[in-house]
Amino acid sequence: GAVVSQHPSRVICKSGTSVKIECRSLDFQATTMFWYRQFPKQSLMLMATSNEGSKATYEQGVEKDKFLINHASLTLSTLTVTSAHPEDSSFYICSARGQYSNQPQHFGDGTRLSIL
Amino acid sequence: AQSVSQHNHHVILSEAASLELGCNYSYGGTVNLFWYVQYPGQHLQLLLKYFSGDPLVKGIKGFEAEFIKSKFSFNLRKPSVQWSDTAEYFCAVNARNTPLVFGKGTRLSVIA
Repeated sequence: GAVVSQHPSRVICKSGTSVKIECRSLDFQATTMFWYRQFPKQSLMLMATSNEGSKATYEQGVEKDKFLINHASLTLSTLTVTSAHPEDSSFYICSARGQYSNQPQHFGDGTRLSIL
Repeated sequence: AQSVSQHNHHVILSEAASLELGCNYSYGGTVNLFWYVQYPGQHLQLLLKYFSGDPLVKGIKGFEAEFIKSKFSFNLRKPSVQWSDTAEYFCAVNARNTPLVFGKGTRLSVIA
């Protein structure tokens, strides 16, 4: 089946550091990619949607200058958490989908970000 | 906008017991419905999905779900659970050209 690879799986860094998370679709073309954030014991909250070659669409309350998303190719999207602070610590999950909206979203393994 | 409600936060069952996890959604139009499972330490995996047609959908590992349009529900069922079914289960919905919206999840613990 379709595979989405997310890297790194775990990041621990100091406050003020910028962190980049990569999301790759390994065996299909991901026309659309989604970035979710999951707090402990809570659901996945959609942060932004990106289509290849276009600017990402951010959900209400998500700072686009804080969470930079680049979807430069059909197999790669990156999320950069700029000048991260402890409150940015969370579990970030990417998801990718093909061309059609009725195709299921495939998920990466997630990245646990811990800001000290 | 769509929203999804999962009624049970944590369900504890003995092996061989029957399972039903509730899921209700709110949206006035046509939706696609999904159940995802997240085993401990693993990524989300698709269990089953409903787009149209037969409202009783069969998925992997013996799971099934029934779409009841009048109740805006898409409950997940399994006749006899196993210890290996211990996981977090998420109901999700999307409308045409919109991303998935997830419920808060239900943790299932199956004990021997």
